[in-house]
Amino acid sequence: DQQVKQNSPSLSVQEGRISILNCDYTNSMFDYFLWYKKYPAEGPTFLISISSIKDKNEDGRFTVFLNKSAKHLSLHIVPSQPGDSAVYFCAARATSGTYKYIFGTGTRLKVLA
Amino acid sequence: NAGVTQTPKFQVLKTGQSMTLQCAQDMNHNSMYWYRQDPGMGLRLIYYSASEGTTDKGEVPNGYNVSRLNKREFSLRLESAAPSQTSVYFCASRPTGRDTGELFFGEGSRLTVL
Repeated sequence: DQQVKQNSPSLSVQEGRISILNCDYTNSMFDYFLWYKKYPAEGPTFLISISSIKDKNEDGRFTVFLNKSAKHLSLHIVPSQPGDSAVYFCAARATSGTYKYIFGTGTRLKVLA
Repeated sequence: NAGVTQTPKFQVLKTGQSMTLQCAQDMNHNSMYWYRQDPGMGLRLIYYSASEGTTDKGEVPNGYNVSRLNKREFSLRLESAAPSQTSVYFCASRPTGRDTGELFFGEGSRLTVL
């Protein structure tokens, strides 16, 4: 069973507009949610995270929103730039004490110039 | 600053051969992880090690073994490779203390099993 789901495999956005990437989770026993960005032939790089006790975290052009009642998080990128074109993974960290991280299947973002 | 280093970066094996993927981190992190990435499947956890001397199974451990040799190194072994193990493998580590939830990843090891 997929505990962390990204239902949109791909997304295309015009440069300068907002990109919104979505993620749903099914388990309430997560204490941190994270977003990673991945370019081809490179390892995932950390973008932004949010603690389960918060509902918003912002870092420059990137904002993550957490809706615990809906078990949903989203990543907003404003304004979108061509260099943002990559695969984005959301992840959740289990609170079991072993700090196990579960990843979604990824969303490929293409920002059109 | 090396961060998380994986070797080899590329490997081709024949079915039934064995090999070990090496991972080392120089950030004094306690926890280390092995993931595999397959198209449409995202990153799936194979094994992890919460601290030196401990290892635990993740979502897809079958066909793999791991060794946490010391605090720096965490190796992944395929005893008898199968075509289903063709994948890109990523090692990661988690900072101790300061907690933003972040994992640090290596650049990956691309394995092809014929």
